Amino acid sequence: LAKTTQPISMDSYEGQEVNITCSHNNIATNDYITWYQQFPSQGPRFIIQGYKTKVTNEVASLFIPADRKSSTLSLPRVSLSDTAVYYCLVGDMDTGRRALTFGSGTRLQVQP
Amino acid sequence: NAGVTQTPKFQVLKTGQSMTLQCAQDMNHNSMYWYRQDPGMGLRLIYYSASEGTTDKGEVPNGYNVSRLNKREFSLRLESAAPSQTSVYFCASSEVGQGGEKLFFGSGTQLSVL
Repeated sequence: LAKTTQPISMDSYEGQEVNITCSHNNIATNDYITWYQQFPSQGPRFIIQGYKTKVTNEVASLFIPADRKSSTLSLPRVSLSDTAVYYCLVGDMDTGRRALTFGSGTRLQVQP
Repeated sequence: NAGVTQTPKFQVLKTGQSMTLQCAQDMNHNSMYWYRQDPGMGLRLIYYSASEGTTDKGEVPNGYNVSRLNKREFSLRLESAAPSQTSVYFCASSEVGQGGEKLFFGSGTQLSVL
């Protein structure tokens, strides 16, 4: 499985854009990238998923460069409620490289 | 839809006691999972069931057993609880779409073993 590396923690202020980068140097051709968000005392929640280039939904954007060795989760105009731990997972169900291993994640602290 | 439902939410056991954590999903998902999360750490996969009738070990299966009772239900059993099993346990199910697999989690069971 592709090993992922994320910063342990990040700090931001309300209203700023936050970019969290995940490194996955040994990503395989068929692997996709998935990000989850976890609030204290809750299970992780799916945020966004992508394979290449850019994906955007109502809460975030995911940027994946051409070599796919990294990906960046972008949270526009964060608020206090975005304080959480963010996990990056890489894998592909069809090839058995399932994206089921959660690392330590990135702990985002948003301040007023 | 309730999504993924776990019971109980809290449990205190004495060392050596046994218990079963229950999990049910109403999303008609084929795959279900059990994770544990220790304080300040990421989630570690205990067991998973890719489909009804199959189960496989994850990263940390020792001390646990699982049963995929039917498509909806996936239980986790601790036969002889140990203090090292004090943790928050999360059950999940997954949906496979065009973009890949997405996990949906329950709200967790906080287990303390004294």
